[in-house]
Amino acid sequence: DTGVSQDPRHKITKRGQNVTFRCDPISEHNRLYWYRQTLGQGPEFLTYFQNEAQLEKSRLLSDRFSAERPKGSFSTLEIQRTEQGDSAMYLCASSFFPQGIGNEQFFGPGTRLTVL
Amino acid sequence: AQSVSQHNHHVILSEAASLELGCNYSYGGTVNLFWYVQYPGQHLQLLLKYFSGDPLVKGIKGFEAEFIKSKFSFNLRKPSVQWSDTAEYFCAVKNQGGKLIFGQGTELSVKP
Repeated sequence: DTGVSQDPRHKITKRGQNVTFRCDPISEHNRLYWYRQTLGQGPEFLTYFQNEAQLEKSRLLSDRFSAERPKGSFSTLEIQRTEQGDSAMYLCASSFFPQGIGNEQFFGPGTRLTVL
Repeated sequence: AQSVSQHNHHVILSEAASLELGCNYSYGGTVNLFWYVQYPGQHLQLLLKYFSGDPLVKGIKGFEAEFIKSKFSFNLRKPSVQWSDTAEYFCAVKNQGGKLIFGQGTELSVKP
């Protein structure tokens, strides 16, 4: 399968625990995006990377959240001291830059986080 | 602020009915517009996109959308829906930085 993959698909954790999610983008894509989707809402942008550089972070991304893409390939999103409000689907997408006609973001299946 | 608004939260249609889902955006720059679909249990997939040129764009599975600049709209249409079109549909605009700004989504239920 050459699409975007995410691991794990589901994560249940207790409030206060740390969690880490992984995203593997499509191999030739140099941009990687993280979004969060809560029930009944569209995905909301969290952050994105071009290669290993983190170029933008949303104000939604509190200091408990950190994302990395150390070698410009896979990325991790860590949430420290989870809160019940962090329960959501975390989506990863990748694309190729420079953008132009035909470029689009391809989404992974998401990681569903439940904080008890 | 950039935003996308989808008018209908839940639409219920019978098979063979025509579909139109509304989408309005607020963005001052050059617009790149998208419709994504999420079938039950599956990930987001691109239905169609508008970058420039012909404002009527055709996508997969018989869907089309029309970009009307004066109305800041990008409505999705399909002349005859099928039960398999049951899904959630998201309109999105891409800003200069490349991130997508999504609407809240429209859940479409098609009765067989």
